[in-house]
Amino acid sequence: DTEVTQTPKHLVMGMTNKKSLKCEQHMGHRAMYWYKQKAKKPPELMFVYSYEKLSINESVPSRFSPECPNSSLLNLHLHALQPEDSALYLCASSHHIQGVYGYTFGSGTRLTVV
Amino acid sequence: GENVEQHPSTLSVQEGDSAVIKCTYSDSASNYFPWYKQELGKRPQLIIDIRSNVGEKKDQRIAVTLNKTAKHFSLHITETQPEDSAVYFCAASIINFGNEKLTFGTGTRLTIIP
Repeated sequence: DTEVTQTPKHLVMGMTNKKSLKCEQHMGHRAMYWYKQKAKKPPELMFVYSYEKLSINESVPSRFSPECPNSSLLNLHLHALQPEDSALYLCASSHHIQGVYGYTFGSGTRLTVV
Repeated sequence: GENVEQHPSTLSVQEGDSAVIKCTYSDSASNYFPWYKQELGKRPQLIIDIRSNVGEKKDQRIAVTLNKTAKHFSLHITETQPEDSAVYFCAASIINFGNEKLTFGTGTRLTIIP
């Protein structure tokens, strides 16, 4: 399995809703990431988990809450979002083993906040 | 932090001609430079990458060059085809065994004219 799988592919939520985005990889990668991409813009890093511990938080508002239950799963819990949070949310994972480096993106969840 | 600039923002090329996209980075510690192709509504796909200990890398019609002294790197696509039309992002990172933050350039929309 050489993929990063994200669910759901599309999500519409109201500003008072609570929802979660899920990301899964079975490549043995020990670092996992959440990126946010607005239309016509590059991806921007939100969070990095390394060996299941949060290692980077790019000053993301607390209405976004990441969770890494195990080495294969990464969640992003959403609560009280704003319409400007509508974007493509990309998960990624990476490894660096014996000089070989790989960084793989999932297909993303397109989130619309209404 | 790292800052990556990318030019041009749009590029139109006749089919069969070559396309060149250029990026500069600010952090001399960066040692990994990937290029991603992103089609509308899809994930960024890695097309080629280069490490800082190498000056040039080729993969069929695609090549990347790196000038560490000047802190710039370029993507070269030869014999362009309609399916090369997409948005291309450069990125820079420091490989750090699981804490790799990719800093992206602003993107180049490449259009191949049949």
